Amino acid sequence: AQSVAQPEDQVNVAEGNPLTVKCTYSVSGNPYLFWYVQYPNRGLQFLLKYITGDNLVKGSYGFEAEFNKSQTSFHLKKPSALVSDSALYFCAVRDRKNTDKLIFGTGTRLQVFP
Amino acid sequence: SQTIHQWPATLVQPVGSPLSLECTVEGTSNPNLYWYRQAAGRGLQLLFYSVGIGQISSEVPQNLSASRPQDRQFILSSKKLLLSDSGFYLCAWSFTVSGHYEQYFGPGTRLTVT
Repeated sequence: AQSVAQPEDQVNVAEGNPLTVKCTYSVSGNPYLFWYVQYPNRGLQFLLKYITGDNLVKGSYGFEAEFNKSQTSFHLKKPSALVSDSALYFCAVRDRKNTDKLIFGTGTRLQVFP
Repeated sequence: SQTIHQWPATLVQPVGSPLSLECTVEGTSNPNLYWYRQAAGRGLQLLFYSVGIGQISSEVPQNLSASRPQDRQFILSSKKLLLSDSGFYLCAWSFTVSGHYEQYFGPGTRLTVT
């Protein structure tokens, strides 16, 4: 079955430190992967995607993600965290059986402390 | 550029009352449209999606229905609300062209059934 896993319910980081939010996937063939961010009582905002090409993908607000095929991972990273980065983050993969759909992870809450 | 609207932003309804949530998209034609529900500020559940006018796919059997009367309009309805229908409802759209599989979300509707 196709899926994405976000193994951490919450990640705590001090402001100014690097942050990583983890995502692993289980999809046959080449995956199409996405990251979204959700602020309280708001809709999800698209951050970045990996379709093909360079394994390091850069996105909005200084975020980037690294596609690692051997480890089936797509971790979200930022070199220096801001308090304003505190939010809920979702990883997603395109459903290969029904390509109109995305399969979302359960979300990771990022808390950045001043 | 494209814009997605949802209304109302918040709604409090008694059990047994009807429901109608509306979503419209501007700036694109023939988008894929989606309704999600998010419970307890965490995971997303895909409820319905549509690839064209009058074409609705239901993901989970439940008390809700969806309709797409116009190309860029998507409506979520219920004849009689249940307490379990409470949640945060998100509408999303995506392009139907190759290479653009990300979904773009509206601001959401917070529904409380009392």
